[in-house]
Amino acid sequence: DAGITQSPRHKVTETGTPVTLRCHQTENHRYMYWYRQDPGHGLRLIHYSYGVKDTDKGEVSDGYSVSRSKTEDFLLTLESATSSQTSVYFCAIKRTSEAGELFFGEGSRLTVL
Amino acid sequence: QKEVEQNSGPLSVPEGAIASLNCTYSDRGSQSFFWYRQYSGKSPELIMSIYSNGDKEDGRFTAQLNKASQYVSLLIRDSQPSDSATYLCAVNLFTGNQFYFGTGTSLTVIP
Repeated sequence: DAGITQSPRHKVTETGTPVTLRCHQTENHRYMYWYRQDPGHGLRLIHYSYGVKDTDKGEVSDGYSVSRSKTEDFLLTLESATSSQTSVYFCAIKRTSEAGELFFGEGSRLTVL
Repeated sequence: QKEVEQNSGPLSVPEGAIASLNCTYSDRGSQSFFWYRQYSGKSPELIMSIYSNGDKEDGRFTAQLNKASQYVSLLIRDSQPSDSATYLCAVNLFTGNQFYFGTGTSLTVIP
């Protein structure tokens, strides 16, 4: 258990509404990540953070923003949700080890109607 | 060009057999390599990591890395029905910050 909690776990929303997903960690890891997973595409990086207020874009960042005001929380915001953002979203932390493994939260399933 | 390529499968093996999963990657700057198992509807869970050429064994699992050929594999010995899942290969570039995943190989172990 990597001490990662995602909320909400399931959400259904309508096109054009804002959505915020929260990732909370209890182990004080510096690096946190948001991925989305879709059939045929695997896991794709949206944004990641390397410290409080330090974030960078991944390969599919358009339409998403992130914030990290505390070490333990990493928020993913969809300013105006679209149907193409229907997906399963995973938060992950990178452990401080020689290989630097990623450990994932349980995921948040988002449906945009 | 995709960073990480995996055969999507499905791969079926009988119970007790060896399952062999393969992964190639494109960036020679890749530093660390990972295998994750993902059951349907669940999050990926780490099986093994490897960063040196050669073999690394952990129980029934063996990861093999060949950096010259840009190839990493996972062998599962004495396959069990509980091993039926999708296996994801991931690489971490030398910068250490970004991880790239393959699309996964679906494995079914037939009792």
